[in-house]
Amino acid sequence: DADVTQTPRNRITKTGKRIMLECSQTKGHDRMYWYRQDPGLGLRLIYYSFDVKDINKGEISDGYSVSRQAQAKFSLSLESAIPNQTALYFCATSLGGTENEKLFFGSGTQLSVL
Amino acid sequence: DAKTTQPNSMESNEEEPVHLPCNHSTISGTDYIHWYRQLPSQGPEYVIHGLTSNVNNRMASLAIAEDRKSSTLILHRATLRDAAVYYCILRPRFLGQNFVFGPGTRLSVLP
Repeated sequence: DADVTQTPRNRITKTGKRIMLECSQTKGHDRMYWYRQDPGLGLRLIYYSFDVKDINKGEISDGYSVSRQAQAKFSLSLESAIPNQTALYFCATSLGGTENEKLFFGSGTQLSVL
Repeated sequence: DAKTTQPNSMESNEEEPVHLPCNHSTISGTDYIHWYRQLPSQGPEYVIHGLTSNVNNRMASLAIAEDRKSSTLILHRATLRDAAVYYCILRPRFLGQNFVFGPGTRLSVLP
């Protein structure tokens, strides 16, 4: 079983709809992240959370919100989806507090907004 | 965040060594150099990281210039499975800093 699980793997929705992408992890990590990837570009950070009571905006948080329901769960919501939010979304986790901190990624959710 | 510069793409032949360069002229003394790679249809995965000294692991080697303004990821014998996008990332040593991904280098491995 994957350590970082994203659901759904693919989603097609219409403009204006509310969408939630979910991420769960079994690694026991305290830190969780949501990234977005557009074709030919690197990953851009949307939101991150260093523990259950901590939520921080990344570089492209407008139009998105998140919820850290538990240490193992971090959800990303698009309140009113628009076509330019069509992208590949990745959840990641890391174990903070160490100089050897590394990111572990899920397999991604491909979102298409029509 | 300190920036890195990588070539957009590189090609290699199977079973030959590959040297992937990364320039980071504005690196600070407390920045770690991380490398991740993203295989087709997958999320990125950790490859290696280092601070000052060269590093080796089962996946690759990391050679860091003496002035730390550049580094090179070395794949000793490229396989078809190594075809991926490789990201060079600077990450400050102290807490609260995030991993910032650039566009990376797309490596093609020819049979």
